[in-house]
Amino acid sequence: QKEVEQDPGPLSVPEGAIVSLNCTYSNSAFQYFMWYRQYSRKGPELLMYTYSSGNKEDGRFTAQVDKSSKYISLFIRDSQPSDSATYLCAMSVKDTGNQFYFGTGTSLTVIP
Amino acid sequence: GAGVSQTPSNKVTEKGKYVELRCDPISGHTALYWYRQSLGQGPEFLIYFQGTGAADDSGLPNDRFFAVRPEGSVSTLKIQRTERGDSAVYLCASSPGRGTSKFFGPGTRLTVL
Repeated sequence: QKEVEQDPGPLSVPEGAIVSLNCTYSNSAFQYFMWYRQYSRKGPELLMYTYSSGNKEDGRFTAQVDKSSKYISLFIRDSQPSDSATYLCAMSVKDTGNQFYFGTGTSLTVIP
Repeated sequence: GAGVSQTPSNKVTEKGKYVELRCDPISGHTALYWYRQSLGQGPEFLIYFQGTGAADDSGLPNDRFFAVRPEGSVSTLKIQRTERGDSAVYLCASSPGRGTSKFFGPGTRLTVL
């Protein structure tokens, strides 16, 4: 079993829709949770960075962490064609290591 | 530059050859990481440098892989006796310090024929 599970999709939505992306994990020691966006043939770009449980909002993006369920989500409001990319969740253990554990990524297409 | 840069952007080599991949981190970032991303997968950790020393090399798959960061800035990932299974995108990332988030470069796409 992988430490981080993410549905690879693909996910296709109309422009303006609300998108929900999710990851589950098995290691209860994870404390830092990230979402990265990766365009084709580009490196991952940091979108959201949260510590422990709770919500964090940045513009059209909201990240949620539920440590009791080992479940994290990224919501995209008013989705745009430019949001079409692969979204990777990543997480790391507080203080005990610096490697990120990534999900496989969810491919998202926003149709104009 | 403003971001992490990696060279070359693409590298095609033959099985058994030696390759070097270079990473220039963001200026002032003390931590540097190498990850490998296979097609349809998320990045997998290879090695982490804090300054000049490899603080964690537990992700290196075998002794054909080696990385250096002699002056605490630029890093080189070296792969000996390349195999077709080494084909992947090799990503470099840097961060200001331990535990903080990482900024990735565009990657080097390695193809071993």
